[in-house]
Amino acid sequence: GIQVEQSPPDLILQEGANSTLRCNFSDSVNNLQWFHQNPWGQLINLFYIPSGTKQNGRLSATTVATERYSLLYISSSQTTDSGVYFCAVEPGDDKIIFGKGTRLHILP
Amino acid sequence: KAGVTQTPRYLIKTRGQQVTLSCSPISGHRSVSWYQQTPGQGLQFLFEYFSETQRNKGNFPGRFSGRQFSNSRSEMNVSTLELGDSALYLCASSHDRPSTDTQYFGPGTRLTVL
Repeated sequence: GIQVEQSPPDLILQEGANSTLRCNFSDSVNNLQWFHQNPWGQLINLFYIPSGTKQNGRLSATTVATERYSLLYISSSQTTDSGVYFCAVEPGDDKIIFGKGTRLHILP
Repeated sequence: KAGVTQTPRYLIKTRGQQVTLSCSPISGHRSVSWYQQTPGQGLQFLFEYFSETQRNKGNFPGRFSGRQFSNSRSEMNVSTLELGDSALYLCASSHDRPSTDTQYFGPGTRLTVL
């Protein structure tokens, strides 16, 4: 089955720093999403981005489907950005496959 | 608009027992998806229900089942519990397909199997 790899697995940054999280997938996908799980376990949908670039405030995402990767950019990090970021792909059978996540810790 | 609610929030069971978890979606949402989250396997898709029909199912044994009622509320059931079933179970609701629509997640039910 399709493999979804996220890097880096862990990231510690100072408040105000920028970061780039990467998601590689081993086969073509129909859909791709990014999620954030806060330290209390709440999951939030950030982006639905099968291709192209989207921006929402300090967050933006780019998916290059032909090269099988997606990037999530976080600018001017805040402590509330801490948590785990997951990308999830849908390879065409309506099942959703998650990566293992990138754990982000923003220091005040 | 009220968010997705899950009950109970915490549950402790012993091996061999069965358990039923409940999920109430956001009003107007017809799709409910269930996910299992464990430290070892991460987040895994269990199944998705739409208008009372199971529309998709992940790679889980038959001990995991679910259903959806006419008001879109959903339940999942795990029979003959095993230690490895200890996990955070999350449900999410959306208007339509979870792979393309924004999903709204509940707070989860943390199941511990002793």
